[in-house]
Parts: sequence; C-alpha cells; structure tokens
Amino acid sequence: AQSVSQHNHHVILSEAASLELGCNYSYGGTVNLFWYVQYPGQHLQLLLKYFSGDPLVKGIKGFEAEFIKSKFSFNLRKPSVQWSDTAEYFCAVSRGSTLGRLYFGRGTQLTVWP
Amino acid sequence: DTGVSQDPRHKITKRGQNVTFRCDPISEHNRLYWYRQTLGQGPEFLTYFQNEAQLEKSRLLSDRFSAERPKGSFSTLEIQRTEQGDSAMYLCASSSVAEGRNEQFFGPGTRLTVL
Repeated sequence: AQSVSQHNHHVILSEAASLELGCNYSYGGTVNLFWYVQYPGQHLQLLLKYFSGDPLVKGIKGFEAEFIKSKFSFNLRKPSVQWSDTAEYFCAVSRGSTLGRLYFGRGTQLTVWP
Repeated sequence: DTGVSQDPRHKITKRGQNVTFRCDPISEHNRLYWYRQTLGQGPEFLTYFQNEAQLEKSRLLSDRFSAERPKGSFSTLEIQRTEQGDSAMYLCASSSVAEGRNEQFFGPGTRLTVL
C-alpha cells in the first residue's frame, strides 16, 4: 500500500537553527511530491512541490526540498528558522500519471523558540 | 477571497443524525477532493470528482457517506447516521487538470463533532 512516512513528529528548535524534516514514501513509480504547511488556526498551504526536473526545489519563505529517487525521500530544509515558522508540516505524494489523490504523512509539528 | 471555501466551519451533532457539508472550489478548477483529518494524523483521502463525475472513492468511505457534485461546481458531502468515530476535520481541495499537475489547494475545513 502507498505510504508516506514522516519520522519526526515534533521538532523543537531555537531561532536561527537549521531545519531538516524527513519524508519517505513507498511508491516505486513516477511521483509528484509536495510539502504543505499549516500555521496555527489556518488552513493547509502549499510550501513547495516537485513534478520533474531539478531535484532541488525551492519554495516560499526560504524553504527548499531535495528529491532523492534512490532513497524514496523528499526532505524539507531551511538554513535558519524563524519563530514564525512554528507550524505543522505535511509531506504528500501523488502518483504522477493519475493526478489523483494525495497520500499524506502524519505531519511534523515544528516549534521555534525566539 | 477566491480560494476554496467550506461551509459550515463547525458542526456539532448528536449520534445518529445526518449532516451535510458544502465545498466551493476555486472557480476555474475542475477537480474537487474530499479528505478527512483526525488529531495527530495527516489528511486521508475520501473521494474526488472531475467536473461532475466521481472518479475515485476510498475504502474509508462507508455506505453512510455520499458525495455529489451535480453541476461540476460546488460539492456536498453527506454523512448519514453519524457515529462518534466520524468526529474529524473534513477538508476540501481543488485543482486544475488543464495545468497537467496535481497542485491541490485546500479550504479551511469543516470540524465535525459527534456527541
């Protein structure tokens, strides 16, 4: 069955620390990859996406993610976090050919202390 | 605001009652998705439409659940004979097939509490 794993459920960092959130998926075919963010009291927003091409993708607010096909991974990174990055982060995968459902990980809660 | 909207935002009901939620997608989007999210979990897919056609239903969607998108615009999700286990956030998302990519935009959700 298709699954998406986010290994860190809660990450606590101080401002200016570097961030890396792990995401692994189990599907072996062509995939589209996404990171969504949910700030407190707000709805899910797209942070960045990968469809094809350069495996290093840049998103909003200084976030980036690297697609490593051999490792079935799509880890999210940010070199220096801010207090305003406190949110829940979800990795999601869809099969590239069907443009259908998204499979989500269970999310990582990031807390950044000022 | 031209994003995805959902109504109501909150619904409290008693076990056994029927509830209906509405989703209005981004106007030019022809795909509409329903997901359910419980505490501590990521969204789980329920069903999706392309225009008015329901293309896929999850096994999570029991016979008590039904979704419609009669004119290919807004959609409704009905839950009959609600159970306490139905308590969750119900999310709607939309996307455009014309763009050839599956970038889904989410609404604020309807939080259902079944007492």
